Amino acid sequence: AQTIHQWPVAEIKAVGSPLSLGCTIKGKSSPNLYWYWQATGGTLQQLFYSITVGQVESVVQLNLSASRPKDDQFILSTEKLLLSHSGFYLCAWGGGLNSDYTFGSGTRLLVI
Amino acid sequence: GDQVEQSPSALSLHEGTGSALRCNFTTTMRAVQWFRKNSRGSLINLFYLASGTKENGRLKSAFDSKERYSTLHIRDAQLEDSGTYFCAALSSGSWQLIFGSGTQLTVMP
Repeated sequence: AQTIHQWPVAEIKAVGSPLSLGCTIKGKSSPNLYWYWQATGGTLQQLFYSITVGQVESVVQLNLSASRPKDDQFILSTEKLLLSHSGFYLCAWGGGLNSDYTFGSGTRLLVI
Repeated sequence: GDQVEQSPSALSLHEGTGSALRCNFTTTMRAVQWFRKNSRGSLINLFYLASGTKENGRLKSAFDSKERYSTLHIRDAQLEDSGTYFCAALSSGSWQLIFGSGTQLTVMP
């Protein structure tokens, strides 16, 4: 069975500090991977997606970047956090032909 | 751009009754997925539909791509059904899953 793991579970970070959020998928070869973000009180919106290793497409510009260093790994990062980066980050896989999306457990980020 | 309009934003039901949530799409979508938010804020998959209807227990969902809508019906609501439900539609020709704003369901004794 496929499993999706996100880390960390929660972070409190200072404005201007770097950030790295991770997501790994086990049990699925070459998954389509996604990062989603929800600001407090906002709607979930897609940030990035990746179809294959080394390839990432940006959907929304939020001064964040994403990378896919391995087939089963998707990383979300920034060199300098902004207050507006606070929120809930979700990683997901799936979305191919006739395939649903499965979400990770999420990372709650508070930037102060 | 493509949008998903979910209604109602909040819904209160008495135990044993039922109702429907609805999502309207501004453009043709190729699939829809319904989720329920868990206690941590993550999303639990309820249904994925590329067309037609699906049923699971007291939940039933329908998707009409041509008429640009999807529904989630809840019957015989139970207290544990309370929570936030989201629809999300897969935009045609892209990998983007577009979310509705959610429905806060409260089931009362």
